[in-house]
Amino acid sequence: EAGVTQFPSHSVIEKGQTVTLRCDPISGHDNLYWYRRVMGKEIKFLLHFVKESKQDESGMPNNRFLAERTGGTYSTLKVQPAELEDSGVYFCASSQERGTSGANVLTFGAGSRLTVL
Amino acid sequence: KNEVEQSPQNLTAQEGEFITINCSYSVGISALHWLQQHPGGGIVSLFMLSSGKKKHGRLIATINIQEKHSSLHITASHPRDSAVYICAVRRNTDKLIFGTGTRLQVFP
Repeated sequence: EAGVTQFPSHSVIEKGQTVTLRCDPISGHDNLYWYRRVMGKEIKFLLHFVKESKQDESGMPNNRFLAERTGGTYSTLKVQPAELEDSGVYFCASSQERGTSGANVLTFGAGSRLTVL
Repeated sequence: KNEVEQSPQNLTAQEGEFITINCSYSVGISALHWLQQHPGGGIVSLFMLSSGKKKHGRLIATINIQEKHSSLHITASHPRDSAVYICAVRRNTDKLIFGTGTRLQVFP
């Protein structure tokens, strides 16, 4: 079974440019999460999809970030325009069951490292 | 102050040593995760637990809900155990709250 795949693994862009990160979850996983780790800080939640619907986007930092999951399969996270403080590693994770403790196994992707110069 | 605190932040050990990493949290949770991240690698879920103890190979995770504390133990540590170990808690929503991680280096 293929794991959670993220692309690109590393992106270097200039301030003001646009970047789109992609996450392909494990097939059949309804839940898809985006997380972010900025330098020196803990990983923080960005948002949660259940199928194609945004279940919780309370962690999205501002309106420069747009996440989509058309068709409930892969998801994209677009940053436009990128700022220096957006640099970090963006992780995607997926799971099959929702919310029940002890029931869902969360699988993470390898992360997409974003460097904004 | 972060809702999830880990200690120590950095840990070095000699191969074969018994290792303990601690996690304390200040909120009510439905589950706690222990995750592992090797340098340059992705995050791997080691355990998810809501009570008691779980064991997988040389890894043991325990949780005390009353004390809001969990520990991850590694027996007979090996250089390949070198990684960042992250504690994360799940509250009543689906999102995880992460600790800052413990960087472990095991030397041969």
